[in-house]
Amino acid sequence: AQSVSQHNHHVILSEAASLELGCNYSYGGTVNLFWYVQYPGQHLQLLLKYFSGDPLVKGIKGFEAEFIKSKFSFNLRKPSVQWSDTAEYFCAVKDGSGNTGKLIFGQGTTLQVKP
Amino acid sequence: DAGITQSPRHKVTETGTPVTLRCHQTENHRYMYWYRQDPGHGLRLIHYSYGVKDTDKGEVSDGYSVSRSKTEDFLLTLESATSSQTSVYFCAIKGQGTDTQYFGPGTRLTVL
Repeated sequence: AQSVSQHNHHVILSEAASLELGCNYSYGGTVNLFWYVQYPGQHLQLLLKYFSGDPLVKGIKGFEAEFIKSKFSFNLRKPSVQWSDTAEYFCAVKDGSGNTGKLIFGQGTTLQVKP
Repeated sequence: DAGITQSPRHKVTETGTPVTLRCHQTENHRYMYWYRQDPGHGLRLIHYSYGVKDTDKGEVSDGYSVSRSKTEDFLLTLESATSSQTSVYFCAIKGQGTDTQYFGPGTRLTVL
């Protein structure tokens, strides 16, 4: 079965620092990949997604992610973080090729941005 | 906003009592999902539905049952709540023609 691994569990950065959060999934083939963000006390919101095409995907709030098929990776990046980016970030992959739409989530990465 | 509401938003209950959480959507989506969120585990799928009266198990379905008698409502029931079911429960829908899921606001359940 598909699985997702997020290597960084807790990241602390100062404002204006660059961010890269790692995400790896377990097996290849056609994959649909997602990054979600959960701000404190809120529900999950979609940051960006990759289904096909350009492996560099741009999302909301200046985030981007790069799909590297050979590395089974879909890392999230932002050139300059802000205090408002403090949140928990989840990588997810669609489970299988069927129509159920089931997603497998990573464990999450808590990002704390210091002003 | 995908028009998803969850009720109740917070609940405290005692071990052994039954609990039902409700997810309501207003946009006629076919697929609905129940997840639980726990520190260090991310989100884990409990059950999902692919239509009225059509449901299937997810990764962590033991101790949970679901029902979907109408397109707009997906109910999650804990038949006899245990402390290990203390968690935040999220409902989600799958957008039409896409694999993107949109989430409700969550229900924080505490089982004492």
